[in-house]
Amino acid sequence: GAVVSQHPSRVICKSGTSVKIECRSLDFQATTMFWYRQFPKQSLMLMATSNEGSKATYEQGVEKDKFLINHASLTLSTLTVTSAHPEDSSFYICSARGRGGQETQYFGPGTRLLVL
Amino acid sequence: QQPVQSPQAVILREGEDAVINCSSSKALYSVHWYRQKHGEAPVFLMILLKGGEQKGHEKISASFNEKKQQSSLYLTASQLSYSGTYFCGTEGYSSASKIIFGSGTRLSIRP
Repeated sequence: GAVVSQHPSRVICKSGTSVKIECRSLDFQATTMFWYRQFPKQSLMLMATSNEGSKATYEQGVEKDKFLINHASLTLSTLTVTSAHPEDSSFYICSARGRGGQETQYFGPGTRLLVL
Repeated sequence: QQPVQSPQAVILREGEDAVINCSSSKALYSVHWYRQKHGEAPVFLMILLKGGEQKGHEKISASFNEKKQQSSLYLTASQLSYSGTYFCGTEGYSSASKIIFGSGTRLSIRP
């Protein structure tokens, strides 16, 4: 299957700082990327849908000014958690879908964020 | 709208079978199945697009009912490696290609 990478895999930061997470599709062009958040023992909750070259579409209840998403190229999307607080600690996972009718959505390995 | 998955958890002995169900209140464009191991990202198992479709990969298969509102995942002769949490993800006709995941089914396989 297709390969999606995420960086960093794990980050610990102080409350109030901003954290940037990168998501890259390594062997295909991802016209659409998705950002999910998963708390322990819970399902994956979609945060936003990111299309290359356009503004992200956020799900209800997700603060777009807090979770900044940029999809500048067909292989890279970034999620920036601004002014992170302990309640933002979670497992953030991106996924990517290609063009040309590719239906499968491939997930990156995830980024575990711990805000102290 | 989040699809409903059942059961929430299953405990099996190695070699036993299991069925995991996923249902939606609306007709679906597609259903995706994933397995997630603890601390890892979900791994894609299969996607079903057509009503009445059945797909299989070794001893793991799935069906998508004719009305396209329900899917089931079948695990036969389960192996220890099948342990994990299984999620179905559904995509509606008007959901702009986004996948919404069910609450998951935790599968534990005992030797």
